This record gives sequence, structure tokens and C-alpha cells, in this order.
Amino acid sequence: EVQLLESGGGLVQPGGSLRLSCAASGFSFRSYAMNWVRQAPGKGLEWVSVISGHGDNTYYADSVKGRFTISRDNSKNTLFLQMNGLRAEDTAVYYCAKSYNVVAEYFDYWGQGTLVTVSS
Amino acid sequence: SYVLTQPPSVSVAPGKTARITCGGNNIGSKSVHWYQQKPGQAPVLVISYGFDRPSGIPERFSGSNSGNTATLTISRVEAGDEADYYCQVWDSSSDHWVFGGGTKLTVL
Repeated sequence: EVQLLESGGGLVQPGGSLRLSCAASGFSFRSYAMNWVRQAPGKGLEWVSVISGHGDNTYYADSVKGRFTISRDNSKNTLFLQMNGLRAEDTAVYYCAKSYNVVAEYFDYWGQGTLVTVSS
Repeated sequence: SYVLTQPPSVSVAPGKTARITCGGNNIGSKSVHWYQQKPGQAPVLVISYGFDRPSGIPERFSGSNSGNTATLTISRVEAGDEADYYCQVWDSSSDHWVFGGGTKLTVL
């Protein structure tokens, strides 16, 4: 059974940093692209970033490019999102999502999300 | 950047057919995916590649895609179908995933 478990969310001040993790199990982690998607309170889904299976290709939404870094540790079946320079508008539930195969494939499994609140 | 436009809300009586549209420039040339999200839950894929249903998704869910509009159709709507629905495409010109703004389906 595929499982994705996010962690690392919390309250952070504007300008601060946070590192999210997504522990994956139930599939060959290194073989699949992985994504981060966020959802601000009461709002729709916003794609944040995607990383290829081997980690050699990464893409970012314009809203986070230069501030967020996606990475993965295939030896530990874990996906990361390093978030720097956080702003109030980054407040959201952050989901990790598994791609069906490569970067441009749909998301077939999602985690339950971790809440990030940026506020002073 | 590529934009997907969905109606904010759609209402339908139980047993009737709901149609949720997703508009985009020449979207018929793209692979469209649809997700269902119920309150407090993570999204769930209901249609991939415009019309493929994943295992476990009822046959009542179907999709089509042509021209500038993709459509998610839910036949014989049930109370349990009440949720937010999002369309999604990969924009190869920018290497970005794009989601529509979402449509809230209300079962009357």
C-alpha cells in the first residue's frame, strides 16, 4: 500500500525558514517523480514543485522559485521541501504527491498534508 | 502562462447529471486530469488523460476533451459526490503543472 506522510509544518515568522519532509512507502520511491502541492485556507490547489526520480530535474512555480528548493533522498525514501524567505501568502496545507511515472504524469497518490502558517 | 478556467460552483439534484467544465486555450491538445477533494481530505484522482478512470472510481464518472473545453461528467449524482473538483494539465511550454480554480459541486 502506497503511503505518503508529510511532516515539518508549523508556525514561522515572515522571512523565516522551514523544511518539510514526506516519508514514502509501498512503492519503489526512486522510480517516480514527486511533487509538492499547496492549498491556502479556503482556496484551491496550487502546484509548487516537482522533482524527477533521480533528482536531476526540478521545476518550480513562479511564486516560489528562488525561495523554495525541492530535493529527495532515495536511500531514505524521503522527499523534502526547503522553504526560505517565507511570506504570509505561503500559509497553506502542503501536500506531497506521487507522479504516476515521470515529471509530466498525473498524481496518483497524495499525502494528508502538513500545515504551514507564516505569521508574526 | 497557461490558464485553466472552471465555474466556481455547480448544483445538481440527486440522480441527475452534473457537468463540470475546464476551459483552456486548445486544451483538447493536452492531457487533462481531474481530482475530487472532499472537506478535510486530500485530493483523489477521478479521471486521467481526459477520460480514463482509475481503479475504484465509479463508472458514473467520465470525461471528455475537445477544442477549448474539457468536461467532467458525473451521471446519477449521489450525495457522496458533493466535493470540490479540480482539472489539471502539464504546460510543456513552461514546464509547470497548472490547476483550474476548482468547482464546488453541490447536491441539492
